[in-house]
Amino acid sequence: ETGVTQTPRHLVMGMTNKKSLKCEQHLGHNAMYWYKQSAKKPLELMFVYSLEERVENNSVPSRFSPECPNSSHLFLHLHTLQPEDSALYLCASSQDWEGAYGYTFGSGTRLTVV
Amino acid sequence: AQSVAQPEDQVNVAEGNPLTVKCTYSVSGNPYLFWYVQYPNRGLQFLLKYITGDNLVKGSYGFEAEFNKSQTSFHLKKPSALVSDSALYFCAVRDKSGYGQNFVFGPGTRLSVLP
Repeated sequence: ETGVTQTPRHLVMGMTNKKSLKCEQHLGHNAMYWYKQSAKKPLELMFVYSLEERVENNSVPSRFSPECPNSSHLFLHLHTLQPEDSALYLCASSQDWEGAYGYTFGSGTRLTVV
Repeated sequence: AQSVAQPEDQVNVAEGNPLTVKCTYSVSGNPYLFWYVQYPNRGLQFLLKYITGDNLVKGSYGFEAEFNKSQTSFHLKKPSALVSDSALYFCAVRDKSGYGQNFVFGPGTRLSVLP
């Protein structure tokens, strides 16, 4: 375990479903991130939260909705997804937004949209 | 703008031989540079970083990397490869002075160490 826990590990959902991905860290970090990792493509930064405030949204479709209720938890709410949204979704945290100490990643949620 | 390139999609090396995974970057100022490794069905794990100081950085599992400012490179090396080193390796960069910028990750290089 890295200290960043993601649940569920695997998720299969239909295009009309609503589901949520959860990320939890107890490292005392102040910044948290959602990344999308698709086959044959670079890691895509989706959202950044620093001290529970969203600081970046990289033109992510509105069918992805993040939530950061406190500095230890980060959610990604999913609704009406498309098959091309199937990917590994990685959560990461860092001590601060500067990131000079590096990121700690969770093991990811493998999402399949059918 | 900041960017990072990993020119090789795949690197194959025999067990016991030295390995190199290449990374070049572009930032307007001085960089933070990181290497991460990803094993199957896992997230990325930190290997090593260059922030400042000695150009040769030593990290986990016997890996090291050399920061070369003139060539804007940060190649990952290991003197003697193990089969267990087979994984996907990512280089990441961020401009130190780039407030508000996030790390940019390279596309990854798949390392296969053959027994």
